[in-house]
Amino acid sequence: QVQLQESGPGRVKPSETLSLTCIVSGVSVTNYYWSWIRQSPGKGLEWIAYSSYTGNTNYNPSLKSRVTMSVDMPKNQLSLRLTSVTAADTAVYYCARVESLFTDLRWFDPWGQGTLVAVSS
Amino acid sequence: QSALTQPASVSGSPGQSITISCTGSSSDVGAFNYVSWYQCHPGKAPHLIVFDVTDRPSGVSNRFSGSKSGNTASLTISGLQAEDEADYYCCSFTTSEILVFGTGTTVTVL
Repeated sequence: QVQLQESGPGRVKPSETLSLTCIVSGVSVTNYYWSWIRQSPGKGLEWIAYSSYTGNTNYNPSLKSRVTMSVDMPKNQLSLRLTSVTAADTAVYYCARVESLFTDLRWFDPWGQGTLVAVSS
Repeated sequence: QSALTQPASVSGSPGQSITISCTGSSSDVGAFNYVSWYQCHPGKAPHLIVFDVTDRPSGVSNRFSGSKSGNTASLTISGLQAEDEADYYCCSFTTSEILVFGTGTTVTVL
């Protein structure tokens, strides 16, 4: 059974860098695409980034200048870095496996439980 | 890339059928058969209920069905039950090779 578990700092100060990790169990990260998605309080889901182990990575254009996603095979985990955070980055951050057909990305399943990150001084 | 457009809310009585629309463009919904739908209960992770426009994962009730016409995808919930009360989001792959979610729909069971 594939399971994903996010972890993060809980709170980050404005202008600092947010770093998140997602530990993947039950499957090798080398075999799939992976993604980060967030949901700000009272708002909808927002796709952030996807990446494969081979380095095929893409980002939401609205976040592209601030975000970096990587896939770590030895540790079988994902990571996300978001720089220069503001209150608007306060959200529950989810990692998810992405089902794909070659480079066409089709759906997210399963998802982690999410980790809440608050941007506050 | 703008979010796909969904109605903010849809409601129905137990046993009724409701339909949630998801309107995009020829660059996303209309370009591929890669529309998926997610059910979100408060405090829980989103749950996949429809993929590739019409298919259901094993374990998902056949009361959930998906369809697409042109640039608009739809999710129909038949035989509405109290447990269906949740937020629902569509998602599509795009010609820019990114993914975009819908604005989300709150389903209320009257």
